[in-house]
Amino acid sequence: NAGVTQTPKFRVLKTGQSMTLLCAQDMNHEYMYWYRQDPGMGLRLIHYSVGEGTTAKGEVPDGYNVSRLKKQNFLLGLESAAPSQTSVYFCASREAGTANYGYTFGSGTRLTVV
Amino acid sequence: QKEVEQDPGPLSVPEGAIVSLNCTYSNSAFQYFMWYRQYSRKGPELLMYTYSSGNKEDGRFTAQVDKSSKYISLFIRDSQPSDSATYLCAMRPMNRDDKIIFGKGTRLHILP
Repeated sequence: NAGVTQTPKFRVLKTGQSMTLLCAQDMNHEYMYWYRQDPGMGLRLIHYSVGEGTTAKGEVPDGYNVSRLKKQNFLLGLESAAPSQTSVYFCASREAGTANYGYTFGSGTRLTVV
Repeated sequence: QKEVEQDPGPLSVPEGAIVSLNCTYSNSAFQYFMWYRQYSRKGPELLMYTYSSGNKEDGRFTAQVDKSSKYISLFIRDSQPSDSATYLCAMRPMNRDDKIIFGKGTRLHILP
């Protein structure tokens, strides 16, 4: 049972380059999320999805786009990377319904934009 | 006032001590409360969860919720060096199934 898998684990980008971060979960979870984590800022929600084909903006969506074409995958895109997007990115998922409390997180992607 | 406040620490305690970690919140609609543990360079993992007010115990860990004071706590008994991590509180309201609000986390060091 792999849980939530993020690829790649590390990446260095030059300013202006684009890239896609992939999140895959094998738990048949409805909800998926992309967070960034920065020192002193905690976890900040970028975008999320409550089901296949749906996406919604979180707290810090600017400069990012997402797609959820398949239930098990949630992609985060950076069209033109900026140094301010240097961060650790976490994907998370959970089942729908009020009885399900917490997220399952991936192990993160460390992104540096130079 | 931020929705969830958590002292960032670091908090350093000797091995074997009782650790108390806390969060305050402002939204009275929060009903589900969670604690996550995050080791360095890893993703957060769900440690404890409680619904509404009260206590919940799991081994050396006790989660406590006081909704009247809008205050939640995590107690760790007989602390071990392996408990050294960042602890994040998290919570969500009954009517918002889609998003969880996180505290910024408290860094905990257990000194051998």
